[in-house]
Amino acid sequence: ETGVTQSPTHLIKTRGQQVTLRCSSQSGHNTVSWYQQALGQGPQFIFQYYREEENGRGNFPPRFSGLQFPNYSSELNVNALELDDSALYLCASSSRDRDMNTEAFFGQGTRLTVV
Amino acid sequence: GNSVTQMEGPVTLSEEAFLTINCTYTATGYPSLFWYVQYPGEGLQLLLKATKADDKGSNKGFEATYRKETTSFHLEKGSVQVSDSAVYFCALSGGTGRRALTFGSGTRLQVQP
Repeated sequence: ETGVTQSPTHLIKTRGQQVTLRCSSQSGHNTVSWYQQALGQGPQFIFQYYREEENGRGNFPPRFSGLQFPNYSSELNVNALELDDSALYLCASSSRDRDMNTEAFFGQGTRLTVV
Repeated sequence: GNSVTQMEGPVTLSEEAFLTINCTYTATGYPSLFWYVQYPGEGLQLLLKATKADDKGSNKGFEATYRKETTSFHLEKGSVQVSDSAVYFCALSGGTGRRALTFGSGTRLQVQP
């Protein structure tokens, strides 16, 4: 049990729709990262939020966007869904100390299916 | 940029066999190295880590040593159990890149009774 919770656990959407995924970080952590894990692949970094600001982004288009709230929880929004967006979306919680991150704790993930 | 290469699976072993899963990496600077495990239908759990060269991470009988000269972080266990069946991911963070994790593609381990 990592203390990182994601909702919903499963979701089915239609191509072209928009989706919002949510993540509650572990108590005391100020950094949230989002990853996309396609079936049979390793997780790919989408972006990271630190104290409500985006703090790094992977190779994902602008239709992937996010927010971090004052309580450090976070949302991942995906617009204009495509079939290839079907994946497990993982949220990871960590804490920054000076220029170093503590280890990341992952939630159970949200399984998104786009049809 | 940073990258991680893992041996392809699946790896199928009998219970009590010796396990090695190879992992090599490319990164500038001095990254931290990790092994994560993913059980069916679950998220990722940190198995072990090493933050500097020659460090050995260990947990639950698994070990891995940070080898800077060979840019490797191979996972080993002396005697696997059926309950070790899962997908194992090697990952790195830091160096002179962003703080996010870069993962390998994962290696599925199947342990038979």
